[in-house]
Amino acid sequence: LAKTTQPISMDSYEGQEVNITCSHNNIATNDYITWYQQFPSQGPRFIIQGYKTKVTNEVASLFIPADRKSSTLSLPRVSLSDTAVYYCLVGTMDSNYQLIWGAGTKLIIKP
Amino acid sequence: DTGVSQDPRHKITKRGQNVTFRCDPISEHNRLYWYRQTLGQGPEFLTYFQNEAQLEKSRLLSDRFSAERPKGSFSTLEIQRTEQGDSAMYLCASSLNVRGSYGYTFGSGTRLTVV
Repeated sequence: LAKTTQPISMDSYEGQEVNITCSHNNIATNDYITWYQQFPSQGPRFIIQGYKTKVTNEVASLFIPADRKSSTLSLPRVSLSDTAVYYCLVGTMDSNYQLIWGAGTKLIIKP
Repeated sequence: DTGVSQDPRHKITKRGQNVTFRCDPISEHNRLYWYRQTLGQGPEFLTYFQNEAQLEKSRLLSDRFSAERPKGSFSTLEIQRTEQGDSAMYLCASSLNVRGSYGYTFGSGTRLTVV
């Protein structure tokens, strides 16, 4: 199972674009990259998932280079409500439940 | 269907007592997962079901923990003879195990405090 490394914390300001990078050097061929967001006293919420290149949805973009050894979650024009912990997971739908969730990246948005 | 529901949201119990939590997954989801999360850490896998079959339990899961999913619908997680170290947020998640489905849907969790 691929191990991931993310920054422990990040700060930014309202209206800025925030990029959170996750390293996963031993990603396997069948692995997908999935990001979750978690607010205090709530369960994690699925944000975005991708396999290669770029994926975009209504809340975020996910950039994956050709070697897939890292990925970057991009949050456009953040607001205070984007303050949360963000987790990067790498695996397949069949193995994801076994994944070790790290401590994630605590993102703090300032006014 | 509004998502994954967990009950209760909070539970305070005395050490040595038994507690039971309930999870109602999204109705069309065939997989159900239980996780435990302590402050500052990510969720830790406990067990999962596909329909009514419990397919995997974490090796870290004490024998005091048991989970059921009768008829493949809701699930219960019971902790017997609770210990202070069991204090945590217990999260339930569900997913649909078909090609093209993405990610898990988590409930809001049950926060257990053992005093």
